[in-house]
Amino acid sequence: GAVVSQHPSRVICKSGTSVKIECRSLDFQATTMFWYRQFPKQSLMLMATSNEGSKATYEQGVEKDKFLINHASLTLSTLTVTSAHPEDSSFYICSARGAGDTEAFFGQGTRLTVV
Amino acid sequence: GQNIDQPTEMTATEGAIVQINCTYQTSGFNGLFWYQQHAGEAPTFLSYNVLDGLEEKGRFSSFLSRSKGYSYLLLKELQMKDSASYLCAVMDSNYQLIWGAGTKLIIKP
Repeated sequence: GAVVSQHPSRVICKSGTSVKIECRSLDFQATTMFWYRQFPKQSLMLMATSNEGSKATYEQGVEKDKFLINHASLTLSTLTVTSAHPEDSSFYICSARGAGDTEAFFGQGTRLTVV
Repeated sequence: GQNIDQPTEMTATEGAIVQINCTYQTSGFNGLFWYQQHAGEAPTFLSYNVLDGLEEKGRFSSFLSRSKGYSYLLLKELQMKDSASYLCAVMDSNYQLIWGAGTKLIIKP
C-alpha cells in the first residue's frame, strides 16, 4: 500500500511556543490530506481537510488561526500548532488520499505534549 | 445527523471468533471502512466495502448491508496481537469519513 510519513513522532514543547508537524506521501500524489486529533480512549476527530493548492477547510470548533495547515505540494502538508497550551496535548494524525482514490492512508501520528 | 454506532468494548478468547458490529446513518454512502488501531499508534486499514456482501481477507472478513445500514467485522482464529481498537468509518456523499468511536477488543488466553 501507499506510504505516508509523519514527522516528528513525538514532541514536547513549552507552553506558548509553536510546533510544526509534517505529513508526506512518499509514493503517491496526495490531492487531499486530512488532519485528525485523538484524545486518549476517544475516536479520531477530524480537524481539517486540505486540498493541494487550496486553503484548508476546518471543522466546526477548530480554530484556524491556532492550527495552521499548509498543503503547498502534492506530497507535503504541514500542521502548525501556534501558541501551544497544555490542553493542546494530544495525538495528531494525518491521512492522505490520491485523486480518484477512496482509501486514505495514515501517517504514524505525532504525540504532542505541551508543558 | 450522521451517526456511527459500534460497541465500546468486547472480550474474546484466543483462538475463537469474534464479530464486531457497526450500524450507521449518514448523508449518502460511498463505502465503509474498518481500521485497526493499537494503543498509541495510528490506524491501519483492514477492509473496504461498497457493495453488499462479505469480503474475506485472511483471518478477517467484513460484511455490508446497505439497506440495513449495517456492517460487521469478523475476526477468526484470534491471536493475542489482535487486541486493539477497531474503528468503523463511513464515507459520506462528500467523500468525508465519518468515524465511529471504536470498539476495544480484549483477547484473553
